[in-house]
Amino acid sequence: DGGITQSPKYLFRKEGQNVTLSCEQNLNHDAMYWYRQDPGQGLRLIYYSQIVNDFQKGDIAEGYSVSREKKESFPLTVTSAQKNPTAFYLCASSTLLDSLGPGANVLTFGAGSRLTVL
Amino acid sequence: GQQVMQIPQYQHVQEGEDFTTYCNSSTTLSNIQWYKQRPGGHPVFLIQLVKSGEVKKQKRLTFQFGEAKKNSSLHITATQTTDVGTYFCAGTHRGSTLGRLYFGRGTQLTVWP
Repeated sequence: DGGITQSPKYLFRKEGQNVTLSCEQNLNHDAMYWYRQDPGQGLRLIYYSQIVNDFQKGDIAEGYSVSREKKESFPLTVTSAQKNPTAFYLCASSTLLDSLGPGANVLTFGAGSRLTVL
Repeated sequence: GQQVMQIPQYQHVQEGEDFTTYCNSSTTLSNIQWYKQRPGGHPVFLIQLVKSGEVKKQKRLTFQFGEAKKNSSLHITATQTTDVGTYFCAGTHRGSTLGRLYFGRGTQLTVWP
């Protein structure tokens, strides 16, 4: 079955440590995204990528980094510079952002990774 | 800025009552999408509206896109406990070169049996 796999599901980290969240999709989607979700805050975009080896900052990119070396993979690193990293992180993918037709730009989400900083 | 506002933030209803959540944008949207996130789960796509004044139905759910394409609503008739979750709208602003989605903050629906 096609879908998006995020790992780990739960992660605990000490302050000052970097941590990398994995996101893999086999939907053959060109675009991939990382969102952060906090209670009452909705979904806030961290980074997104339309094509391999290219990505753009979203609304809250500070303290995060990404790479897009393969179409299927879009890992997110939460660095020690992120002041409040405890949150639920969601990865998503879609067809090309500017493509037309039914289903274009519809997001498929992974199950999420819950990061807790101790 | 390019934001999508959504109200109410929380809604508590008794099973069988109706529920409505509203989204509003200050700029014209090229389309709007609705997602549902069950407690402990991830957002799942429900529907996309593209045309001005469009109305779509999915069983007890009715989705509307305003004539000016600046607002949208989701109405659930006779809620059931299975409707519990957070409902998000997400819009693409017309003229946005990247077609990026902007999410509302969501409406968290609680249904009492």
